[in-house]
Amino acid sequence: EADIYQTPRYLVIGTGKKITLECSQTMGHDKMYWYQQDPGMELHLIHYSYGVNSTEKGDLSSESTVSRIRTEHFPLTLESARPSHTSQYLCATEGGNSEAFFGQGTRLTVV
Amino acid sequence: QKEVEQNSGPLSVPEGAIASLNCTYSDRGSQSFFWYRQYSGKSPELIMFIYSNGDKEDGRFTAQLNKASQYVSLLIRDSQPSDSATYLCAALSGGGADGLTFGKGTHLIIQP
Repeated sequence: EADIYQTPRYLVIGTGKKITLECSQTMGHDKMYWYQQDPGMELHLIHYSYGVNSTEKGDLSSESTVSRIRTEHFPLTLESARPSHTSQYLCATEGGNSEAFFGQGTRLTVV
Repeated sequence: QKEVEQNSGPLSVPEGAIASLNCTYSDRGSQSFFWYRQYSGKSPELIMFIYSNGDKEDGRFTAQLNKASQYVSLLIRDSQPSDSATYLCAALSGGGADGLTFGKGTHLIIQP
């Protein structure tokens, strides 16, 4: 079954640590996105990719970086985590009708 | 600046009634519109999309689009307590290069 997988689902980490949030998809979609969403708040686009070796910054300035070496994989990295990075991070792909399909999300807490 | 506006609610509707959720958008070049449901602490799930003026029905859900008024709505018939969630409206602008623009969502509560 085609799907989008995000790991870990939950992460508590100390300030200053480097972390990578994983996102993999088996849907064969070229376009992928990372959104950030605080509880009860709106989605903010932080990164997107048109395909392999393509990465772009989104509307919300973010200290994170992304890479797209393989179509299936779109990891997000924070070099030095801070409490202000505490949020939910949602990975998504774009389908044939431009709809977004979301993974289950990673809830990050930086202490 | 592309914007999608929604009333944040909460919108309270009795069980079995019709819930009506509304959305306006600023970019006249927007081509397609999407409705998502998001339960608390979960990721958004696609309900349906619409790109032509008029109505589109899918089960208990009907999406309505009026491009002249830049207005999109979602009707939920025979509302159930399980429909209680935040509903996100999203628009794909003419360029569509950077994906969907999402509204802030409307919190819907179905009262048993």
